[in-house]
Amino acid sequence: AQSVTQLDSHVSVSEGTPVLLRCNYSSSYSPSLFWYVQHPNKGLQLLLKYTSAATLVKGINGFEAEFKKSETSFHLTKPSAHMSDAAEYFCVVSDRGFGNEKLTFGTGTRLTIIP
Amino acid sequence: GAGVSQSPRYKVAKRGQDVALRCDPISGHVSLFWYQQALGQGPEFLTYFQNEAQLDKSGLPSDRFFAERPEGSVSTLKIQRTQQEDSAVYLCASSFKDRGPTTEAFFGQGTRLTVV
Repeated sequence: AQSVTQLDSHVSVSEGTPVLLRCNYSSSYSPSLFWYVQHPNKGLQLLLKYTSAATLVKGINGFEAEFKKSETSFHLTKPSAHMSDAAEYFCVVSDRGFGNEKLTFGTGTRLTIIP
Repeated sequence: GAGVSQSPRYKVAKRGQDVALRCDPISGHVSLFWYQQALGQGPEFLTYFQNEAQLDKSGLPSDRFFAERPEGSVSTLKIQRTQQEDSAVYLCASSFKDRGPTTEAFFGQGTRLTVV
């Protein structure tokens, strides 16, 4: 069975400071891992994905994440927060190895940016 | 179309009423998913289609929930005898299936169902 745990339900950072959103995963096979962002009244948008290639993954809007198998982690970072980054962020896992296409979402982290 | 389209965007149903939610995926996308997102929660898997075949319906919460994709494109999620606990945003996603790792799923904006 696959699962993800987002360690913080709410993170607040000042504009221009680094962002760290933490995620740990559990997977029975080689997982695919994703970060999605959800802005109010908008659809889910893919930020980045890990699919067993490079362990450091770069995404859109300056976000990146590092896959650490030994720690079963896939934390999302950004060097400098912008007001437009305020949104809900979801860490997502998929056990594609079993032919199972479904995505399992974490409970989300709400990111607030302080001006 | 350019993206995944869902209709209606908002639906208010009286308890006990049947509802039908429509999803129009991105043209050419083989895989189609339905998710349910309760207020303040992450989306939860309901069901998965590959073309017209429903390969996984393990997430459907009860036999009141039924999904179909008869021609392998548009899909409908039907909820019979709606209950208050069915109130949620229902998300549809589609992806292009290949032999590689899981490909990106593109999500629609969802249908917000409120049962009163």
